[in-house]
Amino acid sequence: QKEVEQNSGPLSVPEGAIASLNCTYSDRVSQSFFWYRQYSGKSPELIMSIYSNGDKEDGRFTAQLNKASQYVSLLIRDSQPSDSATYLCAVKINDYKLSFGAGTTVTVRA
Amino acid sequence: DTAVSQTPKYLVTQMGNDKSIKCEQNLGHDTMYWYKQDSKKFLKIMFSYNNKELIINETVPNRFSPKSPDKAHLNLHINSLELGDSAVYFCASSQDVGNEQFFGPGTRLTVL
Repeated sequence: QKEVEQNSGPLSVPEGAIASLNCTYSDRVSQSFFWYRQYSGKSPELIMSIYSNGDKEDGRFTAQLNKASQYVSLLIRDSQPSDSATYLCAVKINDYKLSFGAGTTVTVRA
Repeated sequence: DTAVSQTPKYLVTQMGNDKSIKCEQNLGHDTMYWYKQDSKKFLKIMFSYNNKELIINETVPNRFSPKSPDKAHLNLHINSLELGDSAVYFCASSQDVGNEQFFGPGTRLTVL
């Protein structure tokens, strides 16, 4: 079982719609979770971190965490063409390293 | 005022050569990392240093040797390069071990 799994996509959404990205993890005791955005040919950029169950909102981004279900998600509201990128879910494993999912590629259609 | 910088940005070399990649961060972070991102875009941790001490050494061939001369620098030396080493190598740093990490621009290594 992979430490972090994401829907590989690609996910195509129309401009203005909500993009929903999902991530599950295997380490039941993980406490720290992160979403990174990576544009093609660029480095990963941290966009959200979440540590507690529930929702965390930052602008058009909302991260949702459910530790009981070992599930973390990212919602992008009012999607813009500039949101087209690969989104990487990362989970802190064994309290010292980040394990990344394979990423979900999002394309926002104008 | 770049936070995490790497040199070189591109590296093209022949099989069997030895090469180094350098990384510097000016964020005042205590922990630095090397990641490898392969052609399928999977990002995998290789090494991590905390206050110049090696704390993560994943299953990486011993042809790869990291070195941290101080908290702000982490270099990666690769001996006897192989075709399979071709990838993008990212340096990253964080204040605390395993927490919010900030990535450098990457070094695209191509082994011919």
